[in-house]
Amino acid sequence: ETGVTQSPTHLIKTRGQQVTLRCSSQSGHNTVSWYQQALGQGPQFIFQYYREEENGRGNFPPRFSGLQFPNYSSELNVNALELDDSALYLCASNRAGAEDTQYFGPGTRLTVL
Amino acid sequence: AQKVTQAQTEISVVEKEDVTLDCVYETRDTTYYLFWYKQPPSGELVFLIRRNSFDEQNEISGRYSWNFQKSTSSFNFTITASQVVDSAVYFCALISRGSARQLTFGSGTQLTVLP
Repeated sequence: ETGVTQSPTHLIKTRGQQVTLRCSSQSGHNTVSWYQQALGQGPQFIFQYYREEENGRGNFPPRFSGLQFPNYSSELNVNALELDDSALYLCASNRAGAEDTQYFGPGTRLTVL
Repeated sequence: AQKVTQAQTEISVVEKEDVTLDCVYETRDTTYYLFWYKQPPSGELVFLIRRNSFDEQNEISGRYSWNFQKSTSSFNFTITASQVVDSAVYFCALISRGSARQLTFGSGTQLTVLP
């Protein structure tokens, strides 16, 4: 196990709703990244946080937002959910240093109906 | 821009066979890092190996080995004497200095090892 935890495990929402996913980083890691993995595809980078600030962002609209807290835990918020947001959302943590190995949590499976 | 291509979508082998998973990458950076992750049905991505662009030495870890060739931009992964527990989706990934800190993944190879 990596020490990265995510909650909840599964979530079902309806289109237009808002959702918050949570991640707790591995001890000693101060950088967290979020990825979206659609069925049958590789994970896609959403954004990264370092020292509570966004440190890089992929090609996702502003309705995807995040927070990192002083204890390095993190949240991913998605507003105005769309059917295409149904996916596995993965959180990864690493030590400072962009190229350091990222260790992943078990993911949150989001279904949007 | 950077890109990772895993042309093999699915591979099926019989237990004890050797299998090689291919990975081809593209990046303009001279400093970059390559990774392999394993994703079992549970969904968690399990880190297997990290290799930087200045180290072309092949690596062996038990039944796993990796062949990194900059000349062909490839980073292939071989499992020797495969076992049923090796069945999973395997992802190759790349991060480079100019990539805005994002790990770029290939589309994955589903490996099924039959008993």
